[in-house]
Amino acid sequence: AQSVSQHNHHVILSEAASLELGCNYSYGGTVNLFWYVQYPGQHLQLLLKYFSGDPLVKGIKGFEAEFIKSKFSFNLRKPSVQWSDTAEYFCAVKKGGSSNTGKLIFGQGTTLQVKP
Amino acid sequence: EPEVTQTPSHQVTQMGQEVILRCVPISNHLYFYWYRQILGQKVEFLVSFYNNEISEKSEIFDDQFSVERPDGSNFTLKIRSTKLEDSAMYFCASRGLAGGELFFGEGSRLTVL
Repeated sequence: AQSVSQHNHHVILSEAASLELGCNYSYGGTVNLFWYVQYPGQHLQLLLKYFSGDPLVKGIKGFEAEFIKSKFSFNLRKPSVQWSDTAEYFCAVKKGGSSNTGKLIFGQGTTLQVKP
Repeated sequence: EPEVTQTPSHQVTQMGQEVILRCVPISNHLYFYWYRQILGQKVEFLVSFYNNEISEKSEIFDDQFSVERPDGSNFTLKIRSTKLEDSAMYFCASRGLAGGELFFGEGSRLTVL
């Protein structure tokens, strides 16, 4: 069965620090990869996604992620975090192709706290 | 920007009662999902729905649960005979034909006492 593992459960950073959140998945076939963010009291919002092509994808708010197929990883990065980035971050995987149901498998989430 | 809306935002119920959580997906979307998140745990897939039938369900989605799209706009999750462990945030999501991105609602928090 597919699974997604996020290495960091709780990260605390100061503003302007660089961020990298780890995400590994287990599935040998074609995958689509996502990072969602959940700000306090709000719904899950898509930060970025990877379907194919350039393995370095850029998302909203200065976030980017790199798909490394050989490592089954899709780590999220941001060069300089802001206080407003305080949120919970979820990595998610979907089997590639149009014939599946499109369900996402989520990691357990990483809580990011940015200190002003 | 179109969005998925869920009601109620918070429901408190007694153990053994039935609960219906409602969702209005984005209007031109065809795929619908329910997920839940127990406090402190990961977001878990419950069920997917397409073409007026369940396309996939998880082990969690047993006979206690059912989904329905009664009128072409609402997508409901019914939980019968609620248990304490059903307390969670329930998220509805929808997806269009292309793109693969799921759009999530703000969630319905269910508290079973």
